[in-house]
Amino acid sequence: AQKVTQAQTEISVVEKEDVTLDCVYETRDTTYYLFWYKQPPSGELVFLIRRNSFDEQNEISGRYSWNFQKSTSSFNFTITASQVVDSAVYFCALSRQNQGGKLIFGQGTELSVKP
Amino acid sequence: DAGVIQSPRHEVTEMGQEVTLRCKPISGHNSLFWYRQTMMRGLELLIYFNNNVPIDDSGMPEDRFSAKMPNASFSTLKIQPSEPRDSAVYFCASSPLYRDRGAEAFFGQGTRLTVV
Repeated sequence: AQKVTQAQTEISVVEKEDVTLDCVYETRDTTYYLFWYKQPPSGELVFLIRRNSFDEQNEISGRYSWNFQKSTSSFNFTITASQVVDSAVYFCALSRQNQGGKLIFGQGTELSVKP
Repeated sequence: DAGVIQSPRHEVTEMGQEVTLRCKPISGHNSLFWYRQTMMRGLELLIYFNNNVPIDDSGMPEDRFSAKMPNASFSTLKIQPSEPRDSAVYFCASSPLYRDRGAEAFFGQGTRLTVV
């Protein structure tokens, strides 16, 4: 069975701090995909990144970076120099091969960035 | 592209009434998904379609829930009769369908349903 665990329910930081959101997953598949989504207070779900199980390279996009480690089944998300606009709930998700948007979500981490 | 479009954005209805939620996926996407978000259960998949055909409806909670996709550009999720415990945010999402790789799902803005 597939499962995604985000152990951090809530995180609060002060603006300009770096913050890492943890994601641990479980799957017996050899091919799978990992995702991060952002849900701001307005409620929509915004896609941030997709990573396949064969690509363990870290990725950086502006202030966002992702660290994928198969050895620990983790796909962590770091925001550098956080800003108030980063305040949102962040979801990590997993899908199986050929099942695209059929996502198994973690419970989410609510990030609050205070000025 | 306008993205995934859901309507209505908010719906308040009385217990026992029929509720219909609507979704227009992104043009060219072959897969469509209905998710429900509640505080207790988080985000859970209700049903999904590939090329307008229902593939997996194991997440549909009860026979009161039904979903259709009559064509590639429209889907509905119907609850009849509605109950207070159906109150939630319902998301529709679409994605391309690739045979050999995963694809991200793009979500609509959701419909917040309140059953009183």
